[in-house]
Amino acid sequence: SQTIHQWPATLVQPVGSPLSLECTVEGTSNPNLYWYRQAAGRGLQLLFYSVGIGQISSEVPQNLSASRPQDRQFILSSKKLLLSDSGFYLCAWSVEEHGEQFFGPGTRLTVL
Amino acid sequence: TQLLEQSPQFLSIQEGENLTVYCNSSSVFSSLQWYRQEPGEGPVLLVTVVTGGEVKKLKRLTFQFGDARKDSSLHITAAQPGDTGLYLCAGKRRGSNYKLTFGKGTLLTVNP
Repeated sequence: SQTIHQWPATLVQPVGSPLSLECTVEGTSNPNLYWYRQAAGRGLQLLFYSVGIGQISSEVPQNLSASRPQDRQFILSSKKLLLSDSGFYLCAWSVEEHGEQFFGPGTRLTVL
Repeated sequence: TQLLEQSPQFLSIQEGENLTVYCNSSSVFSSLQWYRQEPGEGPVLLVTVVTGGEVKKLKRLTFQFGDARKDSSLHITAAQPGDTGLYLCAGKRRGSNYKLTFGKGTLLTVNP
């Protein structure tokens, strides 16, 4: 069966510090991978998605970036965090015909 | 522009009551999913509907896809405290192979 991991689970970082969130998927090959941010337990904002190694599409211009160094690894990064980067970050994967996405447990990021 | 409108945004009911939440759009979707998310966790897929007019049942939950595939509803019978959570609808638009459009969610609280 497929599983998706995210780490860390929680993170508190000062403004201006770098960021690296990691997501890995097991049990599937060549998945589509996604990074979302969720504010205050409401809707999901798509940040990046990837359909293959090294292929990244950005949905919202901001000081975040994403990389996919391996088929089942997706990394979200920032060189300098802003207060507005605080939120709940979710990674998801999909290979289904109808677009169903399967989410990781999320990372709660607080920027102080 | 929010392509998927969910209503109501918040719903607080007593255990045993019935409820319906709605997901509406002016766009046609090739498929639509419902997810439930508990605090601090990632959304979990409940169901996918594909055919206009389709009805699916999952225990006390009934999902319906509109005939024109522009809207959907989720009906819960005899709600229980365990049904508490954020319910998100998401649609796959024609020609959008990789992305889903998410609604902002309905936050349901079932009081014992």
